[in-house]
Amino acid sequence: DVKVTQSSRYLVKRTGEKVFLECVQDMDHENMFWYRQDPGLGLRLIYFSYDVKMKEKGDIPEGYSVSREKKERFSLILESASTNQTSMYLCASSLWSDSGANVLTFGAGSRLTVL
Amino acid sequence: GQNIDQPTEMTATEGAIVQINCTYQTSGFNGLFWYQQHAGEAPTFLSYNVLDGLEEKGRFSSFLSRSKGYSYLLLKELQMKDSASYLCAVRDGNYQLIWGAGTKLIIKP
Repeated sequence: DVKVTQSSRYLVKRTGEKVFLECVQDMDHENMFWYRQDPGLGLRLIYFSYDVKMKEKGDIPEGYSVSREKKERFSLILESASTNQTSMYLCASSLWSDSGANVLTFGAGSRLTVL
Repeated sequence: GQNIDQPTEMTATEGAIVQINCTYQTSGFNGLFWYQQHAGEAPTFLSYNVLDGLEEKGRFSSFLSRSKGYSYLLLKELQMKDSASYLCAVRDGNYQLIWGAGTKLIIKP
């Protein structure tokens, strides 16, 4: 089975701190994604990547950056955390295909609280 | 704008059948997905529909009508482990995924 592993399940940070959320997948997927999940809202895409060193902005990239130095690893960075970034962060990966389902495999999530 | 609507919460009884609806308005359509998410866990893929009709997978079925912008997920012979949130997502004309807010399904004995 494909596994997507997010290194931290729960984090508590203070306003202004730099935060790193790490995500690793073990099935050689080309595509990787970072979403945030908030109550009452659908998943919102922050950033995604189709290849190493490649990144594309999603719907809500402000306040975030990403890094993909290796195919299996996709990191989300909050340069200066703010309270409105308190959320559940979900990493996902998928194979590249120009047709078909491109099913996402998600990690278990990282719940970030910014005080 | 683009929009996915699904009920916030539903309650059903163990052993019964439940239908979770999803309506969508998107710019183009390239498939509809259903995911299941247990509390505190990762969403997991349930089904994919790109053509009209019913797709059956064991106790779960998913239906799509593209002309009506409508899908439903049908769960039969409900079990307690089916208590979860069910997420509907549509891939639009630009192949971007638009997500609904999810339906929390509560199963009672």
